[in-house]
Amino acid sequence: SAVISQKPSRDICQRGTSLTIQCQVDSQVTMMFWYRQQPGQSLTLIATANQGSEATYESGFVIDKFPISRPNLTFSTLTVSNMSPEDSSIYLCSTPTGSSGNTIYFGEGSWLTVV
Amino acid sequence: KQEVTQIPAALSVPEGENLVLNCSFTDSAIYNLQWFRQDPGKGLTSLLLIQSSQREQTSGRLNASLDKSSGRSTLYIAASQPGDSATYLCSKGRGGATNKLIFGTGTLLAVQP
Repeated sequence: SAVISQKPSRDICQRGTSLTIQCQVDSQVTMMFWYRQQPGQSLTLIATANQGSEATYESGFVIDKFPISRPNLTFSTLTVSNMSPEDSSIYLCSTPTGSSGNTIYFGEGSWLTVV
Repeated sequence: KQEVTQIPAALSVPEGENLVLNCSFTDSAIYNLQWFRQDPGKGLTSLLLIQSSQREQTSGRLNASLDKSSGRSTLYIAASQPGDSATYLCSKGRGGATNKLIFGTGTLLAVQP
């Protein structure tokens, strides 16, 4: 299994500011994904973090709002820009790993509250 | 649009009971199916993965099954314990991108001591 560390684990942010979330995996991985979980909701995929190229965003998510970096095969960042209360969510990083490469593992999540 | 539905949304049982959580899909093309556990305010812990060629997986007191013909999966928890209290999430891989998951809304389980 993969060990995925996220920072910060939680934060309270002011409206209009931006916050960068870090995701560190304990081994090199090909794919890294970012999900959002709004209060009382299930998880929704934001984007795929691609190493060496621009992230691939899902419908409803744009780079200006959620810029993503992937400088190497163990690390990625997600920035939540110009935050509003609607951005209050848990943001989770994930990667497939395991012997078959099919088991998806998640970090502990970063719980953001925007006030 | 692919959807994943979990029933019931919430469940409360006394300690020691066996229970079944249900998951169904609108898209009958089943790829990998993975069950997760989420504790309040926390990330997801992988419980069981059923690959598309498999019908069930077991880990300890947990057993997950997959019926592709009906687009359903169940998670069976034997001899439930208060420590099993959590939200259980069912997910399936998207067609053409099986590492991208579509999640159900979850079942909130409370096991009463």
